Amino acid sequence: EVQLVESGGGLVQPGGSLRLSCVASGFTFSSYWMSWVRQAPGKGLEWVANIKPDGSDKFYVDSLKGRFTISRDNAKNSLYLQMNSLRAEDTAVYFCARRLSDAYSVYDYWGQGILITVSS
Amino acid sequence: DIVLTQSPDSLAVSLGERATINCKSSQNVLYSSNRKNYLAWYQQKPGQPPRLLIYWASTRESGVPDRFSGSGSGTDFTLTISSLQAEDVAVYYCQQFYGSPITFGQGTRLEIK
Repeated sequence: EVQLVESGGGLVQPGGSLRLSCVASGFTFSSYWMSWVRQAPGKGLEWVANIKPDGSDKFYVDSLKGRFTISRDNAKNSLYLQMNSLRAEDTAVYFCARRLSDAYSVYDYWGQGILITVSS
Repeated sequence: DIVLTQSPDSLAVSLGERATINCKSSQNVLYSSNRKNYLAWYQQKPGQPPRLLIYWASTRESGVPDRFSGSGSGTDFTLTISSLQAEDVAVYYCQQFYGSPITFGQGTRLEIK
């Protein structure tokens, strides 16, 4: 059974940093593109970042470039999101998600999500 | 960025009746070389992550009941639930994966009348 389990969330002050983790199981993690998608409270979905199976290519939504960094450790079946200079508008549930295919960004498995609250 | 606009924002349908949700794209998402529409639909129940229902506008994901169907091409798409069940109460999102960044519609809340 495919499972994605996020951790590392919580309350952080504006300007602070946080690192999210997502541990994958039930599939060959190193063969899949992975992504982070976020959802502000009561709002819709926003794609954050993608990373290639071997970690060599990374893509970000323009509005977050330079503040967020996606990475992975295939030996640990883990995906990460380093978030710096956090702002109130970064408050959201962050989901890690597996891409269905190498060629296109459709997500067939999602974690339960982890809440990040940016507030003083 | 490609903007997806869903209609209606919310919808109430009686059990056993048909539910129809629309998604209009600001740009064509039909890729001419393979004739595929780069459009997906997701279902999200309260407190849960999204669940993939349909991709390529009309291909049902494994395990999705056949009462869910997708149609449309180019810029106009529809998700249809042929006979609404109580467990279908959720918010539904369309998503385009034609352009970068991928984008989602604002969501349509489906309730029981």
